[in-house]
Amino acid sequence: EAQVTQNPRYLITVTGKKLTVTCSQNMNHEYMSWYRQDPGLGLRQIYYSMNVEVTDKGDVPEGYKVSRKEKRNFPLILESPSPNQTSLYFCASSLTGVSTDTQYFGPGTRLTVL
Amino acid sequence: AQSVTQPDIHITVSEGASLELRCNYSYGATPYLFWYVQSPGQGLQLLLKYFSGDTLVQGIKGFEAEFKRSQSSFNLRKPSVHWSDAAEYFCAVGGGGSYIPTFGRGTSLIVHP
Repeated sequence: EAQVTQNPRYLITVTGKKLTVTCSQNMNHEYMSWYRQDPGLGLRQIYYSMNVEVTDKGDVPEGYKVSRKEKRNFPLILESPSPNQTSLYFCASSLTGVSTDTQYFGPGTRLTVL
Repeated sequence: AQSVTQPDIHITVSEGASLELRCNYSYGATPYLFWYVQSPGQGLQLLLKYFSGDTLVQGIKGFEAEFKRSQSSFNLRKPSVHWSDAAEYFCAVGGGGSYIPTFGRGTSLIVHP
């Protein structure tokens, strides 16, 4: 089954404790991205990757890092989480990244930073 | 810069009634337009998309949307709503080059039995 998986689905942590949210897709997609969803703000893109070793900032990259060492994986790293990063995070992928491609979304990771 | 406005935060309809969710966009060239649905606890799923051609687009689950360039709108419609349609709906706009779509803030659909 074609899918995008994220782990963990739920995470509660404390300020400053480094964490990684994993994302994996099994569709051999070149393009992957991370979004955060906040009430009243919709989805905002954090980072995206057009292919292995190619990443770029989205609209709200501050406080986040990403890496793309393998085509299927695109982890999101919070080196020093802060309470304003409490949010619902989605990973997405598409075939090549052109606007006509359909994006496939993971189920989401709900992060709470205390 | 591209932007999307979904003027309705919440919409309440009765089961079996018709539905229209509004979406207005701002984009300098021909836009690529999308509607996504997010069911509770789920990720986003693409309902339909418009790139060119026929301005009335059919999607999954009985939804359709109409692109009106003169009004910069891409409203989502369904003739008869089912209780399972209760969800959050997002309109998005993108275009050309790399894929950095802009999403609206979402409209929450509540369906009364």
